[in-house]
Amino acid sequence: ETGVTQTPRHLVMGMTNKKSLKCEQHLGHNAMYWYKQSAKKPLELMFVYNFKEQTENNSVPSRFSPECPNSSHLFLHLHTLQPEDSALYLCASSQTDSSGNTIYFGEGSWLTVV
Amino acid sequence: QKEVEQDPGPLSVPEGAIVSLNCTYSNSAFQYFMWYRQYSRKGPELLMYTYSSGNKEDGRFTAQVDKSSKYISLFIRDSQPSDSATYLCAITSGGSYIPTFGRGTSLIVHP
Repeated sequence: ETGVTQTPRHLVMGMTNKKSLKCEQHLGHNAMYWYKQSAKKPLELMFVYNFKEQTENNSVPSRFSPECPNSSHLFLHLHTLQPEDSALYLCASSQTDSSGNTIYFGEGSWLTVV
Repeated sequence: QKEVEQDPGPLSVPEGAIVSLNCTYSNSAFQYFMWYRQYSRKGPELLMYTYSSGNKEDGRFTAQVDKSSKYISLFIRDSQPSDSATYLCAITSGGSYIPTFGRGTSLIVHP
């Protein structure tokens, strides 16, 4: 139990579907993150929210749409994805005013686009 | 030059060996260092963190930082097959709270 919960753990969607990934953190942190991890590639930072405000958008295509209604919840809305978007999507959280800003990850959501 | 360099491996060792995993970094402003372990099809799990040069020990794991050389290491003593995973280093600077990750090193400990 990492304190960061992601649902669903596995998702298969067609290219015309709309789906959402959900993340909830129980650690009282103020910042939340979405990362993408593809096979044999490094972690790619997608979005960062700090106190519900988006502070980073790492040139992510508009078919990925984040939503952060409060500091504990983060969503990633998906629509008209491509097969190359198949990857592990990781949510993370941190307390940015703590020493070093250690971030904690969820177990990830495995996405397959068919 | 990437900010954080990490050899992807795989690194294959026999059970009981001492494992050394390493990262180099280029930004001298980096001051906080973390190591994560990621099992296949799971999220990364924080193993250790440190912000000073020198060694920090936790059980079979030792994190070492050499700021003068911009080099960090994770040593695993008495390695076990259950240590087989990908190990990622992550570093933050004082100016940004967003960590920079290495690409991870795949470790295989065979019985």
